[in-house]
Amino acid sequence: SQTIHQWPATLVQPVGSPLSLECTVEGTSNPNLYWYRQAAGRGLQLLFYSVGIGQISSEVPQNLSASRPQDRQFILSSKKLLLSDSGFYLCAWSRPQGGTEAFFGQGTRLTVV
Amino acid sequence: GNSVTQMEGPVTLSEEAFLTINCTYTATGYPSLFWYVQYPGEGLQLLLKATKADDKGSNKGFEATYRKETTSFHLEKGSVQVSDSAVYFCALSGSWGKLQFGAGTQVVVTP
Repeated sequence: SQTIHQWPATLVQPVGSPLSLECTVEGTSNPNLYWYRQAAGRGLQLLFYSVGIGQISSEVPQNLSASRPQDRQFILSSKKLLLSDSGFYLCAWSRPQGGTEAFFGQGTRLTVV
Repeated sequence: GNSVTQMEGPVTLSEEAFLTINCTYTATGYPSLFWYVQYPGEGLQLLLKATKADDKGSNKGFEATYRKETTSFHLEKGSVQVSDSAVYFCALSGSWGKLQFGAGTQVVVTP
């Protein structure tokens, strides 16, 4: 069976510090990978998606970047965090053929202070 | 572009009451439709799905029917429990499997 791991679960970082959130998927090959952000009391916004190693598409301009160094690894990064980067970050994967459901990790609660 | 509109919450119900959460969408083509549930502090779990018109998705007593003529995918449950308290998201699939979510509806079930 497939599993998705996302860490850390919670993170408190000062403004201006770097960020690295990691997500790995097991039990599947060549998944589509996604990073979503959920601001407090609001819906989910797609930040990045990837259909293969090294292939990253950004959905919204922002202070964050993403990388996919391996088939089942997806990393969300920032060089300098802003207060507005606070939120709940969710990694997800779906099967490569599209039109199917996505499976989500447990999320990372990021608080920038 | 694609969009999903779902009723605002919170929706407060007594245990064993009937639950309906409305969801309508706009999309090009014929997307798959989903309901996800999020418990406090957790990620999203797929609750049910429908991949074509007139399909009915069901799981854990919840049901939703893909209505192409009204572009709707309303979620229903006949008798809610306290454990159903959560935030429910309606979503549709776009290109590359990207999901377009509604804003979420918080459901609170009281004993």
